[in-house]
Amino acid sequence: NAGVTQTPKFQVLKTGQSMTLQCAQDMNHNSMYWYRQDPGMGLRLIYYSASEGTTDKGEVPNGYNVSRLNKREFSLRLESAAPSQTSVYFCASRRLEGDFSYNEQFFGPGTRLTVL
Amino acid sequence: SQKIEQNSEALNIQEGKTATLTCNYTNYSPAYLQWYRQDPGRGPVFLLLIRENEKEKRKERLKVTFDTTLKQSLFHITASQPADSATYLCALGGRDDKIIFGKGTRLHILP
Repeated sequence: NAGVTQTPKFQVLKTGQSMTLQCAQDMNHNSMYWYRQDPGMGLRLIYYSASEGTTDKGEVPNGYNVSRLNKREFSLRLESAAPSQTSVYFCASRRLEGDFSYNEQFFGPGTRLTVL
Repeated sequence: SQKIEQNSEALNIQEGKTATLTCNYTNYSPAYLQWYRQDPGRGPVFLLLIRENEKEKRKERLKVTFDTTLKQSLFHITASQPADSATYLCALGGRDDKIIFGKGTRLHILP
């Protein structure tokens, strides 16, 4: 199993450019998440998807859109990148069990994005 | 709003001693609490989970306590080793499938 994979690993954008960060998991997990991590701010939830076909906003959704393409894939799109979106982006997944999940999240290796 | 605080940004501990990290939270009633380890340039890795009705959990040299009255969790690493040096993240989860993370504590085990 590859676990959670993310592409690209690194990206440099100019202000106003758009891009899509890709995430895929091969563990048959229901839930998938996108976080950003900034120095001194910890991990902040951008969007999450409890199951295929559903998405919900997290703490910091402004400037982002997501697509849960199928059970395996969850993409994050920046329509018009801004310098404030310079960050490390992590995708995560976990298995749902019962009404809600106690299970741990599995994280990808991250995408390091710089917006100039 | 919900708030999670991890006691310090960085902690230096002598090798062989017990490292204790603190996680406090406010305005939240979590169903469970998790601890993750993160190494530089990598994603977080799950270590332990403790539920709201549990007081203590152990895994090898790791121990977690959870006090819902004090709204606090303590994370202990006994017989610490330089390889335990990393950032440790506390995370709270509820019944809505969201997980909220603290900012983390950088732990340095000094040889």
